[in-house]
Amino acid sequence: AQKVTQAQTEISVVEKEDVTLDCVYETRDTTYYLFWYKQPPSGELVFLIRRNSFDEQNEISGRYSWNFQKSTSSFNFTITASQVVDSAVYFCALSEAGSSNTGKLIFGQGTTLQVKP
Amino acid sequence: ETGVTQTPRHLVMGMTNKKSLKCEQHLGHNAMYWYKQSAKKPLELMFVYNFKEQTENNSVPSRFSPECPNSSHLFLHLHTLQPEDSALYLCASSQLGWDLPRVTEAFFGQGTRLTVV
Repeated sequence: AQKVTQAQTEISVVEKEDVTLDCVYETRDTTYYLFWYKQPPSGELVFLIRRNSFDEQNEISGRYSWNFQKSTSSFNFTITASQVVDSAVYFCALSEAGSSNTGKLIFGQGTTLQVKP
Repeated sequence: ETGVTQTPRHLVMGMTNKKSLKCEQHLGHNAMYWYKQSAKKPLELMFVYNFKEQTENNSVPSRFSPECPNSSHLFLHLHTLQPEDSALYLCASSQLGWDLPRVTEAFFGQGTRLTVV
């Protein structure tokens, strides 16, 4: 079965703190893709990163970094020196790319991040 | 033109009305999706279209009727909806392929906020 779990429903931090958003996934496919999206109050889902199952290299983009660990089926997202503009709902998602590759996304429940000034 | 455009942004309809949501993508993608985001549930996949053909219907009630006339346009026809259908409806597109990577990241529109009264 395919499933994405974001156990943290809400996180509140003070500006400049580092914060990590957790994501755990389940899949039987050997080829799959993991994503993080940001949803600001305007509602649009903004793509942040895609990670392929065959590439476990961690990635850093400015204040954002991602830790992909197949051994624990986790794909965690860290924001360093958080800013008020980071306040949003963040979604982790899984796409299986096996024989029935349709590109559909299975989303976690989302984590609401509030960064206070 | 932005990548994925949805109209209208807001819609209020009565339970006996018929309305349609429109989605257009300018990214040259070959797959389009409808997702539903309600207050109490995570993002749920509704329909998937690959190369204009519907490849997935996630047990959606028949009062929601999708249409994909070409790979750039996607509609969601609504009729005799219920108040519990009030939600944010998001359209997305992505590119599928047989070579790796088999799926690209999905790009989302800004959504249609639907209220059924």
